[in-house]
Amino acid sequence: QSALAQPASVSGSPGQSVTISCTGSSSDVGGFQYVSWYRQDPGKAPKLVIYDVTYRPSGVSYRFSGSKSGNTASLTISGLRAEDEADYYCCSYTPNPPLSYVFGTGTKVTVL
Amino acid sequence: ELQLVQSGVEVKKPGESLKISCKGSGQSFSSYWIGWVRQKPGKGLEWMGIIYPGDSDTRYSPSFQGQVTISVDKSISTAYLQWTSLKASDTATYYCASRFRWPFDFWGQGTLVTVSS
Repeated sequence: QSALAQPASVSGSPGQSVTISCTGSSSDVGGFQYVSWYRQDPGKAPKLVIYDVTYRPSGVSYRFSGSKSGNTASLTISGLRAEDEADYYCCSYTPNPPLSYVFGTGTKVTVL
Repeated sequence: ELQLVQSGVEVKKPGESLKISCKGSGQSFSSYWIGWVRQKPGKGLEWMGIIYPGDSDTRYSPSFQGQVTISVDKSISTAYLQWTSLKASDTATYYCASRFRWPFDFWGQGTLVTVSS
């Protein structure tokens, strides 16, 4: 299992939108609607922000949205705020071996 | 709401054994999968494996198969991650996380394991 590919960093000014990509293969991202996204603040546990590609858990801002095209999933943060600065990771289900998961390499979001 | 509470910081020597824990509360412990995730200092998240307390069905990432053992004691709502012989390269923070409604919706606070001679 190779980690899903994410850009090391993305940045944007307050109010702008940023998009983080997550590229895998047809054996994981492309094959299933089971991509989730997590934000992690320094020294803290990750927190789920998107599940099943597009869905937001209760309590997560509407400014977070997810999508997928082929083997690449994306997380978009709109109306960027200083509080959005964190590390973000994608994660995909993969059946090889059965009921397995693989995380992305992680992206640092910086608010300029 | 589901809560996961992990055991505390561990400092061990190479070659020693270790078992860390993750105690669930707030929901029926047997009704959701518990996964383990490694994060080395300054690095990303790595999925290690997952267990279903209801029947102890366990799956491992190929990268961790044979390196660790995941187990559970559902009578005390606790999942475990253990090593028989630690290496310096096992130094990391280990998180447990539930697959309650979705992967991974609730997380423990993390257990820092330091392996050093």
